[in-house]
Amino acid sequence: GQNIDQPTEMTATEGAIVQINCTYQTSGFNGLFWYQQHAGEAPTFLSYNVLDGLEEKGRFSSFLSRSKGYSYLLLKELQMKDSASYLCAAMFSGGYNKLIFGAGTRLAVHP
Amino acid sequence: EAQVTQNPRYLITVTGKKLTVTCSQNMNHEYMSWYRQDPGLGLRQIYYSMNVEVTDKGDVPEGYKVSRKEKRNFPLILESPSPNQTSLYFCASSPPVVYGANVLTFGAGSRLTVL
Repeated sequence: GQNIDQPTEMTATEGAIVQINCTYQTSGFNGLFWYQQHAGEAPTFLSYNVLDGLEEKGRFSSFLSRSKGYSYLLLKELQMKDSASYLCAAMFSGGYNKLIFGAGTRLAVHP
Repeated sequence: EAQVTQNPRYLITVTGKKLTVTCSQNMNHEYMSWYRQDPGLGLRQIYYSMNVEVTDKGDVPEGYKVSRKEKRNFPLILESPSPNQTSLYFCASSPPVVYGANVLTFGAGSRLTVL
């Protein structure tokens, strides 16, 4: 099956930059999503990458390397409200573009 | 407001007592899906539906049933719940997946405890 690997937990300081990595198996890969999930809430869409390179959206950027099976989410100027879980999800071809989620990275931002 | 609505949000039940978790979306989305989320395992797909009367199994379908009689509704049925189905359940919908990035809109979640 397809495994999506990302670190379980990370901590960072308010105002700093943090990079959350995600690796996946490249066979059948069709695109990569990042979702944010605050504790007890629904996941919400952050970004989507299908081509190699960096996509910037305000304080958040997402990078993809298709050949390496690697993505990262970069969060700049961290705020306390960025404390949440960040879910990496890879889309694979297979009739309906199957989406596989990683277990999520729990980010704690402290003052 | 565009949204996915799940009910109930919280439920405690006992083994073997049939229950249904409802899911409704108001965005006219063709695609709907159910996930369960367990600590350390991430979101795992239970069932999905590409359109009305079209449903298929995801990765963990055992013990669950679904139906898609109308475009907006996609209920999840646990015919005989067991304790290993204690979990946080999310319903999600998206526009047709063939049009590129199928960004999912999630419901608020339903926390189910089976005793």
